[in-house]
Amino acid sequence: NAGVMQNPRHLVRRRGQEARLRCSPMKGHSHVYWYRQLPEEGLKFMVYLQKENIIDESGMPKERFSAEFPKEGPSILRIQQVVRGDSAAYFCASSPGGDNGASREFPNTGELFFGEGSRLTVL
Amino acid sequence: AQKITQTQPGMFVQEKEAVTLDCTYDTSDPSYGLFWYKQPSSGEMIFLIYQGSYDQQNATEGRYSLNFQKARKSANLVISASQLGDSAMYFCAMRESYSNYQLIWGAGTKLIIKP
Repeated sequence: NAGVMQNPRHLVRRRGQEARLRCSPMKGHSHVYWYRQLPEEGLKFMVYLQKENIIDESGMPKERFSAEFPKEGPSILRIQQVVRGDSAAYFCASSPGGDNGASREFPNTGELFFGEGSRLTVL
Repeated sequence: AQKITQTQPGMFVQEKEAVTLDCTYDTSDPSYGLFWYKQPSSGEMIFLIYQGSYDQQNATEGRYSLNFQKARKSANLVISASQLGDSAMYFCAMRESYSNYQLIWGAGTKLIIKP
């Protein structure tokens, strides 16, 4: 399966513990996006990364949350000292970079390819 | 203010009927893209269809079509000949050219197809 791979699919943590969510983008994709979905809501943008660079983290809470996309390996979303309000589904998406189907308006146009999500439950 | 509005929290539709899911959007950006995604009970997010603001024709993908009315700022999803497997949450999303490629999502519509 060459799709976006997220793990773990389900993660349970107690308050105060750390959660690490991993995302491997589709082969050939160099842009990764993290979104959070609270129950009964649509997705909310968190962060947009390219290899070794955070491009836009305007949707990320300022404290306890961090994201990285190293040169080798998956993108990691890290939540420190989790609280009950962090319980949500965290989706990773990827898209191709460069001029693969690019348009003037959207340099990396086209849909985002989503993983199956990681569901975090904080007890 | 809500940028993406999906006014139907839930819908019941008889199998084989066509169904229209509403989506209205708000943007001052002349260049934007509109997406529809399907989220079945298993949780994954599945891309269905895309409409660019400059596209002259309504997008179609198999049984899915997008009724794009730019002046009214609406982008309704039409599913023809609905099937039981169409039961899912459906999300409308928008990307603006100056928003660093973020997708802005509606709250979703839960569609249930009755046999």
